[in-house]
Order: sequence, then structure tokens, then C-alpha cells
Amino acid sequence: QKEVEQNSGPLSVPEGAIASLNCTYSDRGSQSFFWYRQYSGKSPELIMSIYSNGDKEDGRFTAQLNKASQYVSLLIRDSQPSDSATYLCAPFEQGSARQLTFGSGTQLTVLP
Amino acid sequence: DAEITQSPRHKITETGRQVTLACHQTWNHNNMFWYRQDLGHGLRLIHYSYGVQDTNKGEVSDGYSVSRSNTEDLPLTLESAASSQTSVYFCASSESKGQGSRSNEQFFGPGTRLTVL
Repeated sequence: QKEVEQNSGPLSVPEGAIASLNCTYSDRGSQSFFWYRQYSGKSPELIMSIYSNGDKEDGRFTAQLNKASQYVSLLIRDSQPSDSATYLCAPFEQGSARQLTFGSGTQLTVLP
Repeated sequence: DAEITQSPRHKITETGRQVTLACHQTWNHNNMFWYRQDLGHGLRLIHYSYGVQDTNKGEVSDGYSVSRSNTEDLPLTLESAASSQTSVYFCASSESKGQGSRSNEQFFGPGTRLTVL
């Protein structure tokens, strides 16, 4: 059973702060990693993908990957109230499964 | 613009009835997926397809079936609806071309909220 664990929420940060979302995964075969944002009552929306160890920056978002530690994180700089949502971590196994395994998500609230 | 649609968006049915949820994508993606999302469980994979005439069981496939007769559609059927199948159902699609390819990304439809009474 592949497991994806995300830091328990809910997580609250003040506007302008850095929000840090963490994820660990059990499947060493995972090669690609995705972060989805899901607003309440809406469908998941892809916001970041990362494939190599290290950092990947896209605007206010930075994804960090450490395959040796089986750890991936998402940093949101200058958090805005519009960032308030549930963030889902999803490792992807490229092998025969070719599937995403989703974590249960971390609910983030950015306080004005 | 390419998109993925689901219908109906909301459905109320009774225990024991057969229900079919539609999913249609215009991305021309090979891969299509059905998930259910429940509080405390996140997104769980029900069935998936890697191409026409290909279907596979996911983590929670009992009581569900799918068929893939063309690239665009993957309908999900609940053979005999049960109250435990009350959930939000999401369809997703992706085009998988290889390791590290951005085409491994899955794109989600808007969801169907199903209530089984």
C-alpha cells in the first residue's frame, strides 16, 4: 500500500507570511511529484510539478524535492487570502502503475 | 479550448438503483481516471483507462464499473447504488509520454456530487 502523508492541518498563517506544506511518500518508485490546490467545493487544480531533487520556483510558489528522504514540500511566499485552500501532494509512479497517489491534503487558511 | 466535463453535476438517487456518471474530455488524452473524494480519505482511485477498450480497477473499485469505447469518454456506472457510495466523484485525464514529461499531469473535471438515499 503506497502511502502519502501530509502535515496535519488546518494550517493558519498571516497574510504576507510564508506557508510551508510538507509531504512524505513511501513509494521509492515515484519519479514525478505534483501539488494540487483545491478550493472548497471545486476540483483539484495543478499548481506545481517537480521531477528532480532540489528546488523549483514558479512565482510565489517553490517546490522542494529530496528523493533520498522521500520528502517533497511546497512553500508559498507572501501568502494571500486567495491562497486559502486545501493543498494535495501527489507522487507519480512512472512504472506499470502510471498512477497518482494523493495525500489527504493540508487545509491552509491565510488570515488578513 | 480543450476541456473535461462531467454530468450531471449533482445527482440524488435511491439505494439499489443503477447510476451512470458521464465524463467527456476534448484533450485527446489516452489516460482517464475516476476518483471519489470523501472527508478524511482524500482522493481515491476507482477505475482507470489507458486507452480505448482498456480498463483497470483502482483502490476502491467494488460496486463500480467503467467502459471505454472511444478516446473522449469514460462513463462510471454504479451497478446498485449504496449509501456508502455517497461522495463527490472526479474524472481526470492525462497524456503519459514518459518519465519526467509534463504530460504526466492529470487534469480534473468539475466533479459530480452524488447522494444515495
